Formats: sequence, C-alpha cells, structure tokens
Amino acid sequence: DTAVSQTPKYLVTQMGNDKSIKCEQNLGHDTMYWYKQDSKKFLKIMFSYNNKELIINETVPNRFSPKSPDKAHLNLHINSLELGDSAVYFCASSQGSGYTFGSGTRLTVV
Amino acid sequence: AQSVAQPEDQVNVAEGNPLTVKCTYSVSGNPYLFWYVQYPNRGLQFLLKYITGDNLVKGSYGFEAEFNKSQTSFHLKKPSALVSDSALYFCAVRDQTGANNLFFGTGTRLTVIP
Repeated sequence: DTAVSQTPKYLVTQMGNDKSIKCEQNLGHDTMYWYKQDSKKFLKIMFSYNNKELIINETVPNRFSPKSPDKAHLNLHINSLELGDSAVYFCASSQGSGYTFGSGTRLTVV
Repeated sequence: AQSVAQPEDQVNVAEGNPLTVKCTYSVSGNPYLFWYVQYPNRGLQFLLKYITGDNLVKGSYGFEAEFNKSQTSFHLKKPSALVSDSALYFCAVRDQTGANNLFFGTGTRLTVIP
C-alpha cells in the first residue's frame, strides 16, 4: 500500500485552465502539506494543514487553494493556470517528527 | 526564522571512497534536522533525522550524519560510496513556528564515479 499517493502523476494542460491534484495518505497522520519543486529543484512549502488550521505560505498566489474533505485527503486546486506554474508538486504528511512524501505530480502548462 | 544551507551544488566522489554532503542550519532553539534523497523522476525518500540524543545518527542505505551544535552543521556521510548513491540530496529543518513543515536546502547533486 502506498502511504502517500498523488494523482495524476503527470498533468499537461493549457494556460488558463483550472486543474486539481489529489492526495491521499493512509498513515493516520494529523498534518498534510503541499510543496512545489521548481525547475532548479528547489523545494518550497505551499501549505500546511491539519484538521484545525490551514497555514499558507504568503508567497503562494491565491489561484492555488487546498481542499481537505477529510483528514486523509488534501487536494490542490489551481485556477487560471500560468506557464510559471509548471513544476513538480509533492504532497506530504506528518505525525510528530515523521514525514512521508508522495511521489510527485509533474504539471506542465503549455 | 529557520533555514538550512547546502553550500555545494555538486559533489563528485569515486566509487569506494568516503563521501560527505554538507549542511549547515540556522534556528533558534533545538533543531529537528533531516536528510532526504531524490532519485531522477522519483519522490523524496527519507534517510535519517536528528531530534535529540546521540550526535551521530545512522540511517538508511549505510548513511549517517553528525549533528554539531557548535558549528551548526549536520553533514551527511557514508564510508564507501556506491554508484547507486548518485542522486539529489536535501537537508531540511523543521519549522518552529507551529506549522511543522520542513524547510529544505537547495539540494546537492552527488555523482559517484565508477
């Protein structure tokens, strides 16, 4: 069983479209995250979320919004996609000092 | 604010030689430090972490790291490099403001030369 699973693995879409990336964890972790890895491989936190609080990195455009239907899921919705949104997006979860990452979603905006 | 720095973009080492990937950190208080590895087109795999206790931490695949408080460093080491160790390595520190997310360094690409 995959601990943190993301779908789709690859996503190619046109500028201006709206898309979602799904993330599910079966570890029972309290907190989930979204990270963005850019073309230079830099990893930056976008959101931290547990069932009480959403913490947003202030540099993230408001076109990005996390949605959590339940504790095991944290989906990433992106409106009006731009070329600069092309990146690999990683979902992660944590409990205490244990962090587990998904395998990533490669988003390409054309 | 907390941060980590990886001063080397690229490290090359011959197979069988010891390897070191450097990381320094900046935090107020006691740091939670991590090392992750990323193989091409793959996700992040956990190697090891330092929370408290023994300064020498042993992790997966024969890797270890030494926490040095006076030098604010957490260098990753392996006694004998394998070609299969070639990958991108990230050092990370946990956020201390309550969000609990990890802040990552810029990564170091390790190439082990046969």
